[in-house]
Amino acid sequence: QSVLTQPPSASGTPGQRVTISCSGSRSNIGNNYVYWYQQLPGTAPKVLIYRNGQRPSGVPDRFSGSQSGTSASLAISGLRSEDESHYYCATWDDSLSGWVFGGGTKLTVL
Amino acid sequence: QLQLQESGPGLVKPSETLSLTCTVSGASITSSGHYWGWSRQPPGKGLEWLGSVHYSGNAYQNPSLKSRVSISVATSKNQLSLKLRSVTAADTAVYYCARDRYGGSEPIDYWGQGIMVTVSS
Repeated sequence: QSVLTQPPSASGTPGQRVTISCSGSRSNIGNNYVYWYQQLPGTAPKVLIYRNGQRPSGVPDRFSGSQSGTSASLAISGLRSEDESHYYCATWDDSLSGWVFGGGTKLTVL
Repeated sequence: QLQLQESGPGLVKPSETLSLTCTVSGASITSSGHYWGWSRQPPGKGLEWLGSVHYSGNAYQNPSLKSRVSISVATSKNQLSLKLRSVTAADTAVYYCARDRYGGSEPIDYWGQGIMVTVSS
């Protein structure tokens, strides 16, 4: 049981816009930055979004993040086949004094 | 370019201690402000943070595993290590070492490639 709640799956067709939600509480998302990771099969997670909505260099602007209250979301516009992957949200939890992750969302490009 | 590489046995017997080492290259483990830690991912499941340590020795662990987890650094070797005691099949996972910053002001940013550890007799 993950501290942060994500839908287990999401899907879309090429060119569509999809969003993935991440729900938490005041001790984590409500008071700290949210990070999003993309994990391709057999590889380590890669930072996709940092500090709620910032993109590292090299990440396309098709990816965007937002945070409101105790929830966050990742949006992917202009969906492409190479976006098919697992996506995880993560943040700091003040009550646990440590990092917490969402359970992950598997994105399928139909 | 900062790189992390995990090493250790791929098979551990139940009730024994899982021991892994992470070698950091491209940067000093004593770099100001950063912590170095471990996360894991059971097959087909999500990520779980285990704990992190600062080169000063200050460490913090996931409360759910705190009694079984020890994380330490060897600054002379630019390495960090993980010990997980009394393992069971539920500890079978890919274990990753990574860099982070206490308090979450920056992400867990650099990750090793991961090492698969199976707990089985």
